[in-house]
Amino acid sequence: GAVVSQHPSRVICKSGTSVKIECRSLDFQATTMFWYRQFPKQSLMLMATSNEGSKATYEQGVEKDKFLINHASLTLSTLTVTSAHPEDSSFYICSARGAGGWPGELFFGEGSRLTVL
Amino acid sequence: AQKVTQAQTEISVVEKEDVTLDCVYETRDTTYYLFWYKQPPSGELVFLIRRNSFDEQNEISGRYSWNFQKSTSSFNFTITASQVVDSAVYFCALSEAGYGGSQGNLIFGKGTKLSVKP
Repeated sequence: GAVVSQHPSRVICKSGTSVKIECRSLDFQATTMFWYRQFPKQSLMLMATSNEGSKATYEQGVEKDKFLINHASLTLSTLTVTSAHPEDSSFYICSARGAGGWPGELFFGEGSRLTVL
Repeated sequence: AQKVTQAQTEISVVEKEDVTLDCVYETRDTTYYLFWYKQPPSGELVFLIRRNSFDEQNEISGRYSWNFQKSTSSFNFTITASQVVDSAVYFCALSEAGYGGSQGNLIFGKGTKLSVKP
């Protein structure tokens, strides 16, 4: 099946620094990528949707200046958490859909656990 | 509005017991897709099953079975003869049929944490 790789799997950073998380589709072209956030013992909440070559669409309540999403190629999307603070500590998961994929046919990355000290 | 409800927050069973995880969904779409995912402690999501709204046939895969009933908007998941390795959080999810914007993304329930004790 299709593979989506997310990196890094774990990152610990100091408050105020920026962290970049990469999401790569390894064997297909991801026309759409979704970024989710999961707090401990909670569900996955959609943060934003990005289509290759265009600006990301953010869900209500998600700060676009804080969570910068770039989808510059059909195989790579990045999420940058700018000026991270402890409340940004969470599990971030990306998912990707290829052209022609049926709705909901998403392939998930392994997730990235961010801890901000 | 679309919504997925998993009323059971946590379930604890003893190995070899059967367990059913409930999922109720809301959507105004006539075409939609339903999913179950398993999330072990490591965090990655493991795809278990997808069902489209026109296929109400129940499905069995080994010890897993799914009961889809449109009349009650439910898509329940049963594990037969549970094992310790089944311990995980299980998410039910719903997807719209469209492709525009965030359509096609998954709307997740809050998850049910299953603990299977030896």
